[in-house]
Amino acid sequence: AQSVTQPDIHITVSEGASLELRCNYSYGATPYLFWYVQSPGQGLQLLLKYFSGDTLVQGIKGFEAEFKRSQSSFNLRKPSVHWSDAAEYFCAALGGNKLTFGGGTRVLVKP
Amino acid sequence: GAGVSQTPSNKVTEKGKYVELRCDPISGHTALYWYRQSLGQGPEFLIYFQGTGAADDSGLPNDRFFAVRPEGSVSTLKIQRTERGDSAVYLCASSPGGGGGYTEAFFGQGTRLTVV
Repeated sequence: AQSVTQPDIHITVSEGASLELRCNYSYGATPYLFWYVQSPGQGLQLLLKYFSGDTLVQGIKGFEAEFKRSQSSFNLRKPSVHWSDAAEYFCAALGGNKLTFGGGTRVLVKP
Repeated sequence: GAGVSQTPSNKVTEKGKYVELRCDPISGHTALYWYRQSLGQGPEFLIYFQGTGAADDSGLPNDRFFAVRPEGSVSTLKIQRTERGDSAVYLCASSPGGGGGYTEAFFGQGTRLTVV
């Protein structure tokens, strides 16, 4: 069965520090991959997506993600976190016109 | 332009009642999706419309759930005989669809359904 796993439920990071969120997928072929952010009371906002080509993709708000086929991973990174990055982050994969989401990682930012 | 709009934003209903949740997609988007997000979990797929027809309803949990999109724009998710386990945030998303292939889905802010 197709699945997306985000191993970390919570991550706490200091403001200005780097952030990496893990995502692993299990699909028959390389799916389209996405990272979304959900702030309290807000809808899901797309940060970035990978369809094909360059395995390092740049997104909005200074985020980037790297696709690694050998590890079935699509980890999200940000070099320097801002307090406004506190939110829940979801990795998702597209198969058959529907997204399968991971369970999410909640990011807390310490001053 | 306007994004995906969902109404109501919050709905509290009694167990056993019938509810309707509405989604207004982005104008011109032919693809529309419903997802359900339970507390502490990622969204789960319910149903996908391409135009007026349900192209994939494999995520609907049982026959109490039904969705329509009669004119290929607004969609309504209908839940009969609600149960406490139906409490969740129901998310709607739309995407351009068409022959160009999938690009991205734009999500509404959701309807928080509470069954008491």
